[in-house]
Amino acid sequence: DGGITQSPKYLFRKEGQNVTLSCEQNLNHDAMYWYRQDPGQGLRLIYYSQIVNDFQKGDIAEGYSVSREKKESFPLTVTSAQKNPTAFYLCASTHIGGNSPLHFGNGTRLTVT
Amino acid sequence: AQSVTQLGSHVSVSEGALVLLRCNYSSSVPPYLFWYVQYPNQGLQLLLKYTTGATLVKGINGFEAEFKKSETSFHLTKPSAHMSDAAEYFCAVSAQNTGKLIFGQGTTLQVKP
Repeated sequence: DGGITQSPKYLFRKEGQNVTLSCEQNLNHDAMYWYRQDPGQGLRLIYYSQIVNDFQKGDIAEGYSVSREKKESFPLTVTSAQKNPTAFYLCASTHIGGNSPLHFGNGTRLTVT
Repeated sequence: AQSVTQLGSHVSVSEGALVLLRCNYSSSVPPYLFWYVQYPNQGLQLLLKYTTGATLVKGINGFEAEFKKSETSFHLTKPSAHMSDAAEYFCAVSAQNTGKLIFGQGTTLQVKP
């Protein structure tokens, strides 16, 4: 079955450590996105990529980094510079073109203490 | 610039009653509009979308929404609520050909027996 796989589902880290969240898709989608979800704030765009080896900052990119070395993969690194990293992180993908809906993974809940 | 406002962060209805979740958007270009549903600790699932054409769109699970340009609204309705409809609902808008979605803050739907 085609879909988006995010791993792990739950992740715990100590403050000051970098952590990488995995996102893999087998839908042959060109574009991939990372959103952060906090209670009462909806989803906010962190980074997105429309083609391999290229990506753009979203609305809240500070403290995060990404790479897009393969079409299928778009890992997100939460660095120690991110002041409030505890959140639910969602990866999504779609074909290029505004009327194509986003397909979402099941998310990774990151807790930093 | 585009934005989405969902009126009411929490909506409570009785089982069998009408569901109405409100969404207003702002867009300087013709919008593409989406409704997504999210169950606890899961990703978002597309309910329905409006791109062009018929302004009344039908989605999964008996939901529908009507695009009203004059009111800049895209409200989500369902004639009869079911217990399984309890979830969080997000309205989103995108600009054509960008693939980027701007999400509202979400509305949590509670269904009482």
